Amino acid sequence: DAGITQSPRHKVTETGTPVTLRCHQTENHRYMYWYRQDPGHGLRLIHYSYGVKDTDKGEVSDGYSVSRSKTEDFLLTLESATSSQTSVYFCAISSGDRDSPLHFGNGTRLTVT
Amino acid sequence: AQKITQTQPGMFVQEKEAVTLDCTYDTSDQSYGLFWYKQPSSGEMIFLIYQGSYDEQNATEGRYSLNFQKARKSANLVISASQLGDSAMYFCAMRELGTYKYIFGTGTRLKVLA
Repeated sequence: DAGITQSPRHKVTETGTPVTLRCHQTENHRYMYWYRQDPGHGLRLIHYSYGVKDTDKGEVSDGYSVSRSKTEDFLLTLESATSSQTSVYFCAISSGDRDSPLHFGNGTRLTVT
Repeated sequence: AQKITQTQPGMFVQEKEAVTLDCTYDTSDQSYGLFWYKQPSSGEMIFLIYQGSYDEQNATEGRYSLNFQKARKSANLVISASQLGDSAMYFCAMRELGTYKYIFGTGTRLKVLA
């Protein structure tokens, strides 16, 4: 299994507070991703990174920011959490090869009250 | 813009029978990859099978195969000899090779009946 660790695994926070989710990989893959999963919506891309300090927006990036200061770490920050950001968040990595699938972490369940 | 459509929110299949899960996609690119994932109730995402747009043969991986019809832009997953452990959510995904974004469909929940 790909070495991907997400932390925390569960978090409950209040509306308006900042939240940071961490993704750590041991595969030395160049590409890292943050998705959110909601019923009826599947997985939607929030942000992704194609290298250290290189990031780009996905389809649902509003309200989220990311940072990647090292190859192995990709942080997702909710600057001011809202109830609509209650979701399961998945980090994923890819080598970038044409037939390379995404490998996922185990997810973080975030509840914003 | 690329898009994945899975029109079956839920499906049932009898144990030991085959089942087809539908996936259609929209892209203007000629080079792309299609992926299927399984998500059991425990929540992890498991990669099942890959099909490249230029692959001439349909992909197969054990009991999983892809019915790839490029002209129709469909990449249906076929699971043969269904097992109770196949009960899960299944997602179709696509990556256009000019980008590094992977786009997912909304998923199909499969229930295998004993």
